[in-house]
Amino acid sequence: QMQLVESGGGVVQPGRSLRLSCTAPGDTFSNYAMYWVRQVPGKGLEWVAVTSYDGSSRDYADSVRGRFTISRDNAKNALYLQMNSLRTEDTAVYYCATDVSKGEDGDYNWLESWGQGTLVTVSS
Amino acid sequence: DIQMTQSPSSLSASVGDRVTITCRASQSISTYLNWYHQKPGKAPNLLIYAASSLHSGVPSRFSGSGSGTDFTLTISSLQPEDFATYYCQQSYSTPLTFGQGTKVEIK
Repeated sequence: QMQLVESGGGVVQPGRSLRLSCTAPGDTFSNYAMYWVRQVPGKGLEWVAVTSYDGSSRDYADSVRGRFTISRDNAKNALYLQMNSLRTEDTAVYYCATDVSKGEDGDYNWLESWGQGTLVTVSS
Repeated sequence: DIQMTQSPSSLSASVGDRVTITCRASQSISTYLNWYHQKPGKAPNLLIYAASSLHSGVPSRFSGSGSGTDFTLTISSLQPEDFATYYCQQSYSTPLTFGQGTKVEIK
């Protein structure tokens, strides 16, 4: 399994932006689809976004579509989540995770490796 | 969107008990069903993929079954380290969706 490390979380005011990052020190995820999943503390898991292995295909939950952008830089072995127009309801722990497939043509499998999560708090 | 409904939402059990958690999809998802468990303050971990395949390193007391709309996760003999919250997740189509979770507590 791959070790993933998220960063970039913190406290931000409503309407502002934040960018999360996910890396795999000592490993590479360039052959796999990648996800962002979030969890409000004490609540369940919510899928946020997915990107195919090469970034050519991306999809989003309706709750973040148009505000969040998932991207990846395989040369840097990094995954990103640009979060704009943040709302209080976006407050959550954000996890990145890898698939075991490339995610071509919307063919996703399962979330095999997960990072430890980074907390985003949207509050005035 | 495909809705995933788990039952029960919580259960109390003793070490050594056989535990069964069910997950129902709002439409057929073939075997595109995965199970995870999560301990407080930790990230989820994959247990079962494609409805019935055991992920590498997961003890054989865990098993999964089902296809279509009805799925089951079974722990044959509950161990102390199994007290956690369990989630099912469908990967048949986006938006990918999770069940609401089943919390397994110590009786």
